[in-house]
Formats: sequence, structure tokens, C-alpha cells
Amino acid sequence: AQTVTQSQPEMSVQEAETVTLSCTYDTSENNYYLFWYKQPPSRQMILVIRQEAYKQQNATENRFSVNFQKAAKSFSLKISDSQLGDTAMYFCAFMKQTGANNLFFGTGTRLTVIP
Amino acid sequence: NAGVTQTPKFQVLKTGQSMTLQCAQDMNHNSMYWYRQDPGMGLRLIYYSASEGTTDKGEVPNGYNVSRLNKREFSLRLESAAPSQTSVYFCASRRQSQYNEQFFGPGTRLTVL
Repeated sequence: AQTVTQSQPEMSVQEAETVTLSCTYDTSENNYYLFWYKQPPSRQMILVIRQEAYKQQNATENRFSVNFQKAAKSFSLKISDSQLGDTAMYFCAFMKQTGANNLFFGTGTRLTVIP
Repeated sequence: NAGVTQTPKFQVLKTGQSMTLQCAQDMNHNSMYWYRQDPGMGLRLIYYSASEGTTDKGEVPNGYNVSRLNKREFSLRLESAAPSQTSVYFCASRRQSQYNEQFFGPGTRLTVL
């Protein structure tokens, strides 16, 4: 079974500062995908960034980047130049490359950006 | 291009009532999913459909049934609602691509009294 752990239920950051959200996962698979989703108060699930396990290079999307450590089974999200619109719940998610290709989610981190 | 749509957005039921949550996608995706989100937890898979005409159970299927009506539509039915089914329900579809990313609908908040 796949499990995803987000050990920080809540975090806060000053506007324009940088914050890192942690995520660890447990799996016996060798090939898989990892994702970070953002859920603002509107409830919509928005894909922030994704990473393939076979790629050593860390993914980046504008102000968002990840630190993927496959051996440690760690997948943290760094948000640079935090903006008020970044205030949301952030979910780390895992997907096997085979089978149903469904997502396994962590319990989320509530991020508040302080003006 | 509306993406993934869900109806209704909100619903209140009494214990024992039945209802169907509707989901449709216009992205021509083969795979579709139903998840539920409970307070303090991430989303959990209820049922999924890998292609038109096929459905399979996920992690928490008890109390639910699904129908993959065609490639676009995937409905979730509660035959006899229970308070434990109070939750937010999300439908998603998956693009078969390099990343297999899933796209989510806006969710349905269901309360069972």
C-alpha cells in the first residue's frame, strides 16, 4: 500500500518570503509520479507541480519548485516570493505508474501568507 | 472547454434517502474517478472507471454505486444515505500523457442528517 505523510498541518509565511512544505511517502514501486495540488477556499483542486520518479532533475513551475529525494522518499515543495493568493491547503499526492493510476493523498498543509 | 463539471454543488439529504451525483468531462479522457474528502484527511478513492463500460472499486466503496454512462459521464449513486457519507465529493478525469495528471471538478458538498 502507498502512504503519503505531510507532517505540517499548518504553516505561515510573510508575503514575499520563501516557504517549504514537507512530504514523505512510502512505496515499493520504482516508477511513479508525485504531485502537489493546491486547494484554495473555493475548494477547487489545482495542480501546482508534478514530478516523474525516474527524473533526477527537480521540477520547477515559476515560483514553485520541488526537492525530490527518491532514496529518502521525500518530495518537498518550495514556494518563493510568496503571494497572498498562495493561501490555501496544499496536498502532496502519489500515483503508481500501473494499475488504476489513482492518486494517494496526504492529509494536507494549510498555508497562510501574511501581508 | 469546461473541463470537469459536477452537479449539484451542494446537497442536504435525510438518512435513508437516495441521490445521484453527476460528473461530466469534455477532454476526451478515458479514465474517470470519484473521491471523497473528509475533514483532516486527504482525498480517498471511492470508485474509478478506466474506460467506457468498466468500473472498479477503490479504497472506500461501501454504500456507493457508479455508472459510466458513456465516455463523458461518470455518476455516483448513494442508494441509502448515511451520516457517515457526509463529505465533499470530487470527480476527476485523467489525461494519458507523460505525467498522467488528473483534473478535478469543483466538488459537491453533501450533508446527510
